[in-house]
Amino acid sequence: DTEVTQTPKHLVMGMTNKKSLKCEQHMGHRAMYWYKQKAKKPPELMFVYSYEKLSINESVPSRFSPECPNSSLLNLHLHALQPEDSALYLCASSRTPTENSNQPQHFGDGTRLSIL
Amino acid sequence: RKEVEQDPGPFNVPEGATVAFNCTYSNSASQSFFWYRQDCRKEPKLLMSVYSSGNEDGRFTAQLNRASQYISLLIRDSKLSDSATYLCVVISSMDTGRRALTFGSGTRLQVQP
Repeated sequence: DTEVTQTPKHLVMGMTNKKSLKCEQHMGHRAMYWYKQKAKKPPELMFVYSYEKLSINESVPSRFSPECPNSSLLNLHLHALQPEDSALYLCASSRTPTENSNQPQHFGDGTRLSIL
Repeated sequence: RKEVEQDPGPFNVPEGATVAFNCTYSNSASQSFFWYRQDCRKEPKLLMSVYSSGNEDGRFTAQLNRASQYISLLIRDSKLSDSATYLCVVISSMDTGRRALTFGSGTRLQVQP
């Protein structure tokens, strides 16, 4: 059972819709991550939050907007997405940020996003 | 050259077989190493960390060879449930002084009855 929970599990949206992905962890981890994964490829890092502050944005288009309301929650707001944005979106957390430590990351079970 | 390289496979092995995967990394400043498994359409799950002296967890053995810059995963007595993609993950120090986590592209294992 994953200790990082993501909702929704599946999301289908049109290119003009606005939706949000949610991620929650109660392990006391102080770093949280958003990844995008396409079929048969490894996850690609999008954003990193360290101690509730955005520390890394991997040149992600502005139609993706992350938010970290508190140390347990991470959101990804979506607006005006393109069909090529269809993918599995994974949230992960680690005890301390990878950029400063060697802690492994623990993944949620993802949101499968389809853009029509 | 990719930072972290894996043979994509698939490795097709019969139940009960022993199978081993390697993962090579190019950054000599790499510090931490992990194996994850990912089932089809599921999230990556941490299988095991890889320690310098090598480590074992049941049927799984992980080893690190710093001189040749590779890690390995050995699976003994393969089960059907071991069928998955195995991702090698490396944490390395960058020129900036920060560390970054890099995934290999994964090795697919198919255990057959």
